[in-house]
Amino acid sequence: DGGITQSPKYLFRKEGQNVTLSCEQNLNHDAMYWYRQDPGQGLRLIYYSQIVNDFQKGDIAEGYSVSREKKESFPLTVTSAQKNPTAFYLCASSTGPAGVFNEQFFGPGTRLTVL
Amino acid sequence: GENVEQHPSTLSVQEGDSAVIKCTYSDSASNYFPWYKQELGKGPQLIIDIRSNVGEKKDQRIAVTLNKTAKHFSLHITETQPEDSAVYFCAASRAGGTSYGKLTFGQGTILTVHP
Repeated sequence: DGGITQSPKYLFRKEGQNVTLSCEQNLNHDAMYWYRQDPGQGLRLIYYSQIVNDFQKGDIAEGYSVSREKKESFPLTVTSAQKNPTAFYLCASSTGPAGVFNEQFFGPGTRLTVL
Repeated sequence: GENVEQHPSTLSVQEGDSAVIKCTYSDSASNYFPWYKQELGKGPQLIIDIRSNVGEKKDQRIAVTLNKTAKHFSLHITETQPEDSAVYFCAASRAGGTSYGKLTFGQGTILTVHP
């Protein structure tokens, strides 16, 4: 059964702690993305990767870090430097980087709450 | 960079009525415009998309129109049903340059269809 999995669905952390969100895909997609979703603000791009061992900052990368050591995995670390980390985080992938008309497939999301 | 504005933020209709959601974009080089539907607690899912060389596209009860001159595009849902209730996002992207493969999303529209 192909798709994108994110775990866990809900995550609670204390302020000042780093936390890593998991994203795995078995679609054989080259490109992967991390978005943050806040009420009334749509989806904002944090980081994206067009190919293994390469990634670029999105529009709101400060306080976040990523790695892309394997094609199927793109974990996101929310560091203590992120001022307002409580949000809904969405991972996506697409066949990319061949062109911009590729559909992005989204995972179910992880809701992170920092206490 | 690209900026996408989406209106209205909320839309309430009666079952069987039509619903229209509008988006404007700022980058005249944008050439791909997808629409996503997000149900509660899930990731967004592509419902229809349009490329800049096409003015209109239909898929059953859903249609999208694009006006490149005015830089706006719209989603039209006819004969709405309660299961159409969700959050809808428009997005835009362009070919080439540092924005290659990146989607810029609108703020979202909460559509409620009353039985």
